Amino acid sequence: KAGVTQTPRYLIKTRGQQVTLSCSPISGHRSVSWYQQTPGQGLQFLFEYFSETQRNKGNFPGRFSGRQFSNSRSEMNVSTLELGDSALYLCASSLAGTSGTYEQYFGPGTRLTVT
Amino acid sequence: DQQVKQNSPSLSVQEGRISILNCDYTNSMFDYFLWYKKYPAEGPTFLISISSIKDKNEDGRFTVFLNKSAKHLSLHIVPSQPGDSAVYFCAAKRPGTASKLTFGTGTRLQVTL
Repeated sequence: KAGVTQTPRYLIKTRGQQVTLSCSPISGHRSVSWYQQTPGQGLQFLFEYFSETQRNKGNFPGRFSGRQFSNSRSEMNVSTLELGDSALYLCASSLAGTSGTYEQYFGPGTRLTVT
Repeated sequence: DQQVKQNSPSLSVQEGRISILNCDYTNSMFDYFLWYKKYPAEGPTFLISISSIKDKNEDGRFTVFLNKSAKHLSLHIVPSQPGDSAVYFCAAKRPGTASKLTFGTGTRLQVTL
């Protein structure tokens, strides 16, 4: 099975701009979660989508949003970029607890740099 | 509030020896725990997990131990290999939040020859 793919891998944006990141989950996985990794805060949960609905949300401002399509692919959008949004954005897919397993499988991430 | 803590930022172990990575948590509601390994410029790779109803789970060279009374889990790697050199994260989830993981800050393991 192909793994989780994320595009683009690297991105440089300017403060005030917006950005859209894309994630394709493992085939058959209906849950897609997004995480932000920074040196100071570690890996932090942004939100999770399951069957096109946001099911869980972390403590991030409304500038961070996402959506999921009927084929389970997901996009994450950040509007009005700030310098502090520079981070590695990771997408993970899972079976979301079916069969009693909760393992998430991560993509390689998108490295966003805001200047 | 850091609910999952990895107090050792780094660990160095000789090849062939046992590596023990530790993780403490404060939220007694956590019901499932996972360990991930991360290389630079890659996403975390799932290693092993354990449900809160168990106290041990093994998979090849990796064993995870859970001590619920102490709110402590550990990952044992035996024998350690140079390819195990990476950052290791423990993560936990609460009931009803199947895909919301809370991660520790990571421990960098270096396996030396």
